[in-house]
Amino acid sequence: GESVGLHLPTLSVQEGDNSIINCAYSNSASDYFIWYKQESGKGPQFIIDIRSNMDKRQGQRVTVLLNKTVKHLSLQIAATQPGDSAVYFCAESFSGTYKYIFGTGTRLKVLA
Amino acid sequence: IAGITQAPTSQILAAGRRMTLRCTQDMRHNAMYWYRQDLGLGLRLIHYSNTAGTTGKGEVPDGYSVSRANTDDFPLTLASAVPSQTSVYFCASSDSGTYGYTFGSGTRLTVV
Repeated sequence: GESVGLHLPTLSVQEGDNSIINCAYSNSASDYFIWYKQESGKGPQFIIDIRSNMDKRQGQRVTVLLNKTVKHLSLQIAATQPGDSAVYFCAESFSGTYKYIFGTGTRLKVLA
Repeated sequence: IAGITQAPTSQILAAGRRMTLRCTQDMRHNAMYWYRQDLGLGLRLIHYSNTAGTTGKGEVPDGYSVSRANTDDFPLTLASAVPSQTSVYFCASSDSGTYGYTFGSGTRLTVV
């Protein structure tokens, strides 16, 4: 069945460096993708999204890249800050639905 | 502050007992969802509702029921709790005009 996975369960990054969190998805029909951030004890928060007709989308300090050829999604965080420490999830959805399949999450640890 | 309110924040429940987790949103979103989050498994959809008066089953619906009598409320009921239902439960909502979810802060449920 369809699945969304993450390559690295934990990522440790030095403060000020850039972070890259990766995600693989299995359904080539998925046409919408979201990255969520979840801080300890809180619910996931929307970070950035991208549709399948795009390869790249930028937000404030974050960039999402979509490679449909290899079904790969990545989240880049520039100048990583202590407040970026959290678990990051990717999620995919299928055209015509509002339901998502979530990855298991990558924990980002920012080292001072 | 607009958003989703979940109650209770946490609960310890004896096995066999009935429990209702409450979820209320004030954003007038059409769709609402219940997810459970377990370590290593990510977020899994329990039930959803695309609009008031309708509900549907998600990935892991067994042992749970929902109702959607109005737009704002989407309670999740465990008819007879079992230890495998120990989890963190998140309610979420989305607007039919957009795809991103807004999540509540979660309910941590422990069934003993």
